[in-house]
Amino acid sequence: KNEVEQSPQNLTAQEGEFITINCSYSVGISALHWLQQHPGGGIVSLFMLSSGKKKHGRLIATINIQEKHSSLHITASHPRDSAVYICAVIVSSGSRLTFGEGTQLTVNP
Amino acid sequence: DTGVSQDPRHKITKRGQNVTFRCDPISEHNRLYWYRQTLGQGPEFLTYFQNEAQLEKSRLLSDRFSAERPKGSFSTLEIQRTEQGDSAMYLCASSSGQVYGYTFGSGTRLTVV
Repeated sequence: KNEVEQSPQNLTAQEGEFITINCSYSVGISALHWLQQHPGGGIVSLFMLSSGKKKHGRLIATINIQEKHSSLHITASHPRDSAVYICAVIVSSGSRLTFGEGTQLTVNP
Repeated sequence: DTGVSQDPRHKITKRGQNVTFRCDPISEHNRLYWYRQTLGQGPEFLTYFQNEAQLEKSRLLSDRFSAERPKGSFSTLEIQRTEQGDSAMYLCASSSGQVYGYTFGSGTRLTVV
């Protein structure tokens, strides 16, 4: 079993829909990252969380440390949001990232 | 500073050849990471430097792989005697420490034919 599990693996939505991507992890962490990866490979950091909730534009990320769970929400989704969204954690004792396998999001116009 | 730069963006090589990739991190960042990503998977950790010291290596990093960061600035990742299984995206990231987040490069896509 992976230390970081994401669901769903694939998600197709219509433009304007509210989207939720979930991430569960099984280890103690010092921080959790949500990352976005477009075709061609470049990865952009969206959020880094250690508690609570963060919001940036149409994106909201939450984390529940006790339940070892995080969610990424996208409000009013748009085709340009189509990408792979990756959850990654920093294990408490370390500094490197451990990644989930990613969620492929496709938003259709 | 233009972020984390990786060179080359793409590399096609014949099996058995040696290849070397370069990563230039953000200049203020003392930590540098190499990750490898195969198609449809999340990235996997390869190795990590703090300044010029290589502090951690994954068991994925066989003896054909070597990484250096000689002056604590840019880093190189060399793969000797490449195999088809080495085909992947090689990602570099840098940070100032845990609380400051990561910046990723665009990656080097290696294809071994």
